[in-house]
Amino acid sequence: GENVEQHPSTLSVQEGDSAVIKCTYSDSASNYFPWYKQELGKRPQLIIDIRSNVGEKKDQRIAVTLNKTAKHFSLHITETQPEDSAVYFCAANNFGNEKLTFGTGTRLTIIP
Amino acid sequence: GAVVSQHPSRVICKSGTSVKIECRSLDFQATTMFWYRQFPKQSLMLMATSNEGSKATYEQGVEKDKFLINHASLTLSTLTVTSAHPEDSSFYICSAGDGVRLNIQYFGAGTRLSVL
Repeated sequence: GENVEQHPSTLSVQEGDSAVIKCTYSDSASNYFPWYKQELGKRPQLIIDIRSNVGEKKDQRIAVTLNKTAKHFSLHITETQPEDSAVYFCAANNFGNEKLTFGTGTRLTIIP
Repeated sequence: GAVVSQHPSRVICKSGTSVKIECRSLDFQATTMFWYRQFPKQSLMLMATSNEGSKATYEQGVEKDKFLINHASLTLSTLTVTSAHPEDSSFYICSAGDGVRLNIQYFGAGTRLSVL
């Protein structure tokens, strides 16, 4: 089955700086890679996703890059703000299977 | 986006009792829903896949007799934690896809179970 690794587990960034979180996956058949943001005690919220037919996707301050050859994808947050503080999870699956495999999570803290 | 409602949000129960958690898709039909368990500061661990009209598919290591799943309609799946014990205390979250936006999963708000 799929295995997703995520690094770092914790990340502290000065407000205004950029944050990068990286994930690797094991199953070459995986072709859908979402990123979720989870605030304490709340539900995970989808913030951006990428499918394997593209290498990069951007939505305002958030971008995701995908390297299919190396089987890794990354979340980039620019101009970080205090409200970006949360736990971020990457995940992977393929179109034939709705089941998501999650990474271990990154606790992002934005320092004012 | 699609809305998934989960109820109750918080349950405190005595050891040995059973607890039922409901997961509803409010504005779409879901033939498949997923149940996760999340311990503090840990990731979401898939427990089982709930299939409308058929038996749930459990992940390795999850006791199907302990965690009963029923998906009797296209908008409702229930998870019953039977004979709950303190080690069952956790955050349980469900998710569902709307079948329109391929592969996107929408999550319920979660249920925090505390077994005394």
